[in-house]
Amino acid sequence: GAVVSQHPSWVICKSGTSVKIECRSLDFQATTMFWYRQFPKQSLMLMATSNEGSKATYEQGVEKDKFLINHASLTLSTLTVTSAHPEDSSFYICSASAGRGMVNEQFFGPGTRLTVL
Amino acid sequence: DAKTTQPTSMDCAEGRAANLPCNHSTISGNEYVYWYRQIHSQGPQYIIHGLKNNETNEMASLIITEDRKSSTLILPHATLRDTAVYYCIVRVSSGTYKYIFGTGTRLKVLA
Repeated sequence: GAVVSQHPSWVICKSGTSVKIECRSLDFQATTMFWYRQFPKQSLMLMATSNEGSKATYEQGVEKDKFLINHASLTLSTLTVTSAHPEDSSFYICSASAGRGMVNEQFFGPGTRLTVL
Repeated sequence: DAKTTQPTSMDCAEGRAANLPCNHSTISGNEYVYWYRQIHSQGPQYIIHGLKNNETNEMASLIITEDRKSSTLILPHATLRDTAVYYCIVRVSSGTYKYIFGTGTRLKVLA
């Protein structure tokens, strides 16, 4: 159980275009989803936290107008990278948590590799 | 900032126990310690978590010191497939219970 999927698994786009990444919890309802970014040979960096039906909370230094997050249902969150530039090329990973209780671990998706030309 | 510190890398012989230490000296009383691992170009995989007692599951054991300022993840019989980056995380206990990842330990299991 506790499977999280991401789509697409990789995407290549031209500079200036927007890219949408989907994150789905397949077998549980995720009240909270998280979005991370990971550059090569670095650790995961939390970008934002989203709760179903409410606005995402962004970490310091993450532009909310550039990285649009929507968490419209208990099984789906989307991250849209608007007007992507080469420096946005990275590995984007989502995770989902089944509740807000203290014991609920996060389950991670397989990641989406974005390359902006 | 991450609340944990781990050695950058470790090697372990195949079939031996791998002991991965983690320091979390500023942990609060109600904060859990989580361990995940990340195999190259994949999402992190949950391993185990604990609060104050030692924990064991089919993947690993977690030993937490009595003062809770450090812990050790034990893979009892390491295999080549255990080669990965292992992250020790203290989950923030307020608000949305987010994870702040540290640099992790790159474990290499040697044949």
